[in-house]
Amino acid sequence: AQKVTQAQTEISVVEKEDVTLDCVYETRDTTYYLFWYKQPPSGELVFLIRRNSFDEQNEISGRYSWNFQKSTSSFNFTITASQVVDSAVYFCALTPEDKIIFGKGTRLHILP
Amino acid sequence: DAGVTQSPTHLIKTRGQQVTLRCSPKSGHDTVSWYQQALGQGPQFIFQYYEEEERQRGNFPDRFSGHQFPNYSSELNVNALLLGDSALYLCASSRGAGSSTDTQYFGPGTRLTVL
Repeated sequence: AQKVTQAQTEISVVEKEDVTLDCVYETRDTTYYLFWYKQPPSGELVFLIRRNSFDEQNEISGRYSWNFQKSTSSFNFTITASQVVDSAVYFCALTPEDKIIFGKGTRLHILP
Repeated sequence: DAGVTQSPTHLIKTRGQQVTLRCSPKSGHDTVSWYQQALGQGPQFIFQYYEEEERQRGNFPDRFSGHQFPNYSSELNVNALLLGDSALYLCASSRGAGSSTDTQYFGPGTRLTVL
């Protein structure tokens, strides 16, 4: 089976706390891509990161960081020093060769 | 640089009717994909168009059809609407040979309500 699991349905943290969103995937393919998207209340999905299956280097972009571990089939996303504007639904997605599979998303609430 | 645009923003239809949704891709992009997002769910892939042809298709019935025009814009048509078709319909564009591995950029979506 090819699937993406985001076990955390909803998370609430107080502003300035760090938060990690989990993503576990399953795929038969050896070549695939992983993505994270943010969906604010406006509804538009905003691209955050794209990572191919051969690149396990962790990546940092400002307050955002991603931890890709093929051994555990995980691609976790951490927001450091969270801000109220980070409140949104976050989706992890997997692209094996022929289609894109999204997880069900994690709704993140950043409380002031 | 305009991003992906979709029209209309909202739409209300009744069961059995037909609907057409429109999408203009980001400048420089030639591939358009359509997704259905039910409330509280992740987007589900409907199909992808490249070079005016449907290249890939998700698990959706033939009631869902599409078209891509020479200027790369696209339409999604849904016939014989069912209550279960109520959802946010998202369009995404990318640059490439219709591969799902290209980064896709999404529009704001069309909210379809079927009564």
